[in-house]
Amino acid sequence: AQSVTQLDSQVPVFEEAPVELRCNYSSSVSVYLFWYVQYPNQGLQLLLKYLSGSTLVKGINGFEAEFNKSQTSFHLRKPSVHISDTAEYFCAVTFNTGGFKTIFGAGTRLFVKA
Amino acid sequence: NAGVMQNPRHLVRRRGQEARLRCSPMKGHSHVYWYRQLPEEGLKFMVYLQKENIIDESGMPKERFSAEFPKEGPSILRIQQVVRGDSAAYFCASSPEGRRNEAFFGQGTRLTVV
Repeated sequence: AQSVTQLDSQVPVFEEAPVELRCNYSSSVSVYLFWYVQYPNQGLQLLLKYLSGSTLVKGINGFEAEFNKSQTSFHLRKPSVHISDTAEYFCAVTFNTGGFKTIFGAGTRLFVKA
Repeated sequence: NAGVMQNPRHLVRRRGQEARLRCSPMKGHSHVYWYRQLPEEGLKFMVYLQKENIIDESGMPKERFSAEFPKEGPSILRIQQVVRGDSAAYFCASSPEGRRNEAFFGQGTRLTVV
């Protein structure tokens, strides 16, 4: 069965500190991987995606993520966070089962403190 | 090129009424997906449609919920006889033919049942 797990429901961090938001998935088929950000009462904004090629993916707002196939992970990182990065972050995995169903993780709330 | 447009952004319905949520995909996109986000939870897949066809409705509740994507006009998610538990944010996404793994999300419709 396919599943997506975001290991941390909340991550508090001080401004200018580095952060890593973790995402693991389980699948027996090939996958496409995404990270989205959701600000309060807003829709989803795509941060970055991995479709193929280099396993290190750079996105908007200084975020990057690395696809680790052996560990079935796609952790999101930023070397120095800002107050404005406070938001909910969702990892999403599209499973190549022919129907391209996308499953979202439960989300990680990043809270950046001054 | 306008993004995925959802309306209304906010919808209030009394128990027992019908709710109609509309989604206009991005220009040139022929695949539409509906997701539901309950408070404090991630997005759950509901249904995947192409023009005039339901491809995958495995995430749709068996009763009261229906979706369509007619040849002309927006995709409609219809909820009949709403109950308080239907209160959620409903997101629509669309993707182009040949790139179904690249979905663009709308801002969502927040349904409140009173």
